[in-house]
Amino acid sequence: QVTLKESGPALVKPTQTLTLTCTFSGLSLTTTSMRVSWIRQPPGKALEWLARFDWDDDKFYSTSLKTRLTISRGASKNQVVLTMTNMDPVDTATYYCVRDTRGFAFDIWGQGTMVTVSA
Amino acid sequence: DIQMTQSPSTLSASVGDRVTITCRASRSVNTWLAWYQQKPGKAPKLLIYKASYLESGVPSRFSGSGSGTEFTLTISSLQPDDFATYYCQQYNSYAKMYTFGQGTKLEIK
Repeated sequence: QVTLKESGPALVKPTQTLTLTCTFSGLSLTTTSMRVSWIRQPPGKALEWLARFDWDDDKFYSTSLKTRLTISRGASKNQVVLTMTNMDPVDTATYYCVRDTRGFAFDIWGQGTMVTVSA
Repeated sequence: DIQMTQSPSTLSASVGDRVTITCRASRSVNTWLAWYQQKPGKAPKLLIYKASYLESGVPSRFSGSGSGTEFTLTISSLQPDDFATYYCQQYNSYAKMYTFGQGTKLEIK
């Protein structure tokens, strides 16, 4: 069974850097064509794709946020980490870690982690 | 970036109705188009991928069609469990980026 779980701070201050960790089981990032993405959803709003990490260490970012985002492997081989710099209240959202294997569709989602940006 | 426009934004329907939701892309995405269902407080659930492929475990009353810039999600006979918000999502294979539509809220009439 494949599971993904997001972890990180629930509250960050404006201008701080957010670090989120996706810990997964039942999948391996060394498997060809395995991809893990981060997606966010502000309260009451639509979904927004942020970044993707591929099995071959390729990385891709949202055009609008690429200067603030870094996606990387975590300290454990079953982790992917997202950092977002210069946080702002508009970045308040639920952040999801997701698997992408269905023809570039997201078939397995983490439960999401709510991040609030406030002084 | 490719923009996705869903219509309608809100749809009121009754149990047993056939409903269709449309998603238009600002330029061709071939068939890299997926549909999701989201209920309040829950993560989205994949329904359809590659425009018309039904995800495993999803009831056959859900179907998807289209290619290029116009896509539809059809629910053949609405069930009480289907009232939720639906999102389309495209993949731009050249830029390696994804975009979601703004969502369609399906409400009980």
